Amino acid sequence: DAKTTQPTSMDCAEGRAANLPCNHSTISGNEYVYWYRQIHSQGPQYIIHGLKNNETNEMASLIITEDRKSSTLILPHATLRDTAVYYCIVRVPPSGGGADGLTFGKGTHLIIQP
Amino acid sequence: NAGVTQTPKFQVLKTGQSMTLQCAQDMNHNSMYWYRQDPGMGLRLIYYSASEGTTDKGEVPNGYNVSRLNKREFSLRLESAAPSQTSVYFCASSFGGLFNGYTFGSGTRLTVV
Repeated sequence: DAKTTQPTSMDCAEGRAANLPCNHSTISGNEYVYWYRQIHSQGPQYIIHGLKNNETNEMASLIITEDRKSSTLILPHATLRDTAVYYCIVRVPPSGGGADGLTFGKGTHLIIQP
Repeated sequence: NAGVTQTPKFQVLKTGQSMTLQCAQDMNHNSMYWYRQDPGMGLRLIYYSASEGTTDKGEVPNGYNVSRLNKREFSLRLESAAPSQTSVYFCASSFGGLFNGYTFGSGTRLTVV
């Protein structure tokens, strides 16, 4: 699986858009980008994933550059409850309905300021 | 919907004691996982089960055993607990395959003294 690089921490004002970058310059053509977050003391929560097109769901938007070497997770209107560690993970989905476990790095600690 | 349920939520063990952490999911997921998280660190995979009847080692399997009891349940056993196993343990499940969105439990906080 490709290695990812994320800033250790970021601040964002409440109500503003939070833009979390992730660098994955060694990504290969069949690797997906996944984002999870972990609110203090809780289990991680799935946010979104994508391959090459931009994706949006009720939680966030995922923007992947055309060369796929980096991506940005966007929380459009951040609230205090969005304070969490955000993990960017790049991997090939297992084939044949199998599974082999996601690898979590240290992520970005996003702090939403009131 | 309960999702992924872990028991117990907290546990204190003495060095050398054994215990089993329980995990159950009610989402009809095929795959289940056990992770540990040490302070200030990301999650590390201990064991996983791609489907009922199969288990495989993850990144840090030493000192642990697992049992996939049925499709719903996946337990983690510490045969002889050591202080280095003090950690927060998370169980997760997923359908596996192309969409690999995991659902995590709320964790078990284990202290070995």
